Amino acid sequence: AQKITQTQPGMFVQEKEAVTLDCTYDTSDPSYGLFWYKQPSSGEMIFLIYQGSYDQQNATEGRYSLNFQKARKSANLVISASQLGDSAMYFCAMREGQGSARQLTFGSGTQLTVLP
Amino acid sequence: GAGVSQSPSNKVTEKGKDVELRCDPISGHTALYWYRQSLGQGLEFLIYFQGNSAPDKSGLPSDRFSAERTGGSVSTLTIQRTQQEDSAVYLCASSPRRDGRELFFGEGSRLTVL
Repeated sequence: AQKITQTQPGMFVQEKEAVTLDCTYDTSDPSYGLFWYKQPSSGEMIFLIYQGSYDQQNATEGRYSLNFQKARKSANLVISASQLGDSAMYFCAMREGQGSARQLTFGSGTQLTVLP
Repeated sequence: GAGVSQSPSNKVTEKGKDVELRCDPISGHTALYWYRQSLGQGLEFLIYFQGNSAPDKSGLPSDRFSAERTGGSVSTLTIQRTQQEDSAVYLCASSPRRDGRELFFGEGSRLTVL
């Protein structure tokens, strides 16, 4: 089974509008972390935001916020006031458990295009 | 520069040849990851190094793949007897943290196996 599911291969949003990128996850581990990364056309991966499974509040970083719904196992990324520079591929990722040898599992990504 | 450096940026090789991909992490970063990204796909975990601990090799797809990290710094990913399905972008990331946050990625090495 997929551990991270991103059901939107592509999304379009008008500049200055808000957009939500969906992410659902699957884990039986009570301790986990959820991440969003942005990959522009230049190829580098840019860390955006992190949510821990025990965090009581939804994470926010500037125009990015994470809508964490633990019971539904969803961790949607909300980008407010979209800008043309937000056009990129966005990846949701999860880290499970504790310990020193851990890994991130990435979803297949959502290609966001911001329209002028 | 101060970022993660990968070389070569592009590599074209013939099926059956061995290739080595190099990653220079950010100085002082203890964690180093290798991922593979096929065209239009997400990232596939390959291997993870954390300090002097034994690496997590659980993502390596076959015994043709191996990686080393010398002196806790530079890492080399080696693919022996390359196959066409090995064609992908190989991304390296380093981090000062153990928890997966603040991964700094290199720009990747694009491998094409003919």
